[in-house]
Amino acid sequence: EIVMTQSPATLSVSPGERATLSCRASQSVNNNLAWYQQKPGQAPRLLIYDTSTRATGIPARFSGSGSGTDFTLTISSLQSEDFAVYYCQQYNNWPGTFGQGTKLEIK
Amino acid sequence: QVQLVESGGGLVKPGGSLRLSCAASGFTFSGYYMTWIRQAPGKGLEWVSFISSDGKTISYADSVKGRFSISRDNAKHSLYLQMNSLRAEDTAFYYCARVSRLVEDYWGQGTLVTVSS
Repeated sequence: EIVMTQSPATLSVSPGERATLSCRASQSVNNNLAWYQQKPGQAPRLLIYDTSTRATGIPARFSGSGSGTDFTLTISSLQSEDFAVYYCQQYNNWPGTFGQGTKLEIK
Repeated sequence: QVQLVESGGGLVKPGGSLRLSCAASGFTFSGYYMTWIRQAPGKGLEWVSFISSDGKTISYADSVKGRFSISRDNAKHSLYLQMNSLRAEDTAFYYCARVSRLVEDYWGQGTLVTVSS
């Protein structure tokens, strides 16, 4: 099983600033990496797939990058609605496995 | 628009059974793989099971193999999860999700299963 490790566990950032979240795979997942956002009491929402492709309706301030084992989700200018938990998921070996999540909180 | 609505969760004693349902609308249900993913309260996401679009290919996480059974009725646009021999560690929100390009692109709102005496 491919293990996904996210860092940091919690990230404190001020609104309007840039947030950078990391995800590392225990072996190469090529570019088969997705990011999800989950707000309290809600289901996860797909943000990014294929490492860098935004899902339908996702604002351009969300971007993904990386390859192989190291990936990054960047939120360029944080809005109030962006404070949530973010999960990465590999699907190179399907069905996919998720990271443990990064909580993005208001500083 | 794509909608997935789960139902059937509730409180059940250890060793008991529950059947979850997921009603799909807004897309051609018979054309998509579907999955069940669960999340224990305050914890991360765990894939539980998937079923192919025609129902012929099925897989389960080791943690539920032999106890859970996934099925679908394409005529009714519905997905099911039969859960038997439930354990305390099965307590979680259960989400159904549509699979597109190998990712879960739409999720239901979830249904809570609580296993407790």
